[in-house]
Amino acid sequence: GDSVTQTEGLVTLTEGLPVMLNCTYQTIYSNPFLFWYVQHLNESPRLLLKSFTDNKRTEHQGFHATLHKSSSSFHLQKSSAQLSDSALYYCALRDSNNRIFFGDGTQLVVKP
Amino acid sequence: EAAVTQSPRNKVAVTGGKVTLSCNQTNNHNNMYWYRQDTGHGLRLIHYSYGAGSTEKGDIPDGYKASRPSQENFSLILELATPSQTSVYFCASRASSYEQYFGPGTRLTVL
Repeated sequence: GDSVTQTEGLVTLTEGLPVMLNCTYQTIYSNPFLFWYVQHLNESPRLLLKSFTDNKRTEHQGFHATLHKSSSSFHLQKSSAQLSDSALYYCALRDSNNRIFFGDGTQLVVKP
Repeated sequence: EAAVTQSPRNKVAVTGGKVTLSCNQTNNHNNMYWYRQDTGHGLRLIHYSYGAGSTEKGDIPDGYKASRPSQENFSLILELATPSQTSVYFCASRASSYEQYFGPGTRLTVL
């Protein structure tokens, strides 16, 4: 069945270093939609960025991701982490039943 | 701005009791969802709805019922609450672009 895999449960890094959060997916759907949601402490998840176009970079609020259908990946990146980026990040997939299926999440902790 | 509200925000229930969590959206979205969030499990889908009168089972529906009496309202019902249902519950509505708008969440503790 459809699935989303976020390999890191916790990523800890120093402010100013680059961020890369991994996301791979599995689906039978030929035109998947992929999403990144961010959830700050004591808040609800909100959309960070989304894509359904193969090999096109999508950017928002300093973060970017590119959907690669060839490798079934949609990794989230940022060139320089800020303390305020500390949050829980979810990768999500619109599955073949038109439901949004979330990965388990990656907790990003940015230290000074 | 899309708006999804939930009530109550916090709830303490006793084992075996009935709990109803309510969700209201003013987005006029057809699709609505109930998730629970637990550390290590992410957001897991309990029930969802395609519109008024419709409810569908998600990935973890056991022990939960849902009701969608109108476009705006979507409730989650725990007929016989158990401690394993202690969690944070999020309601969401979905736009035609597939973006989901989440409510503020309900923290439920079952003693």
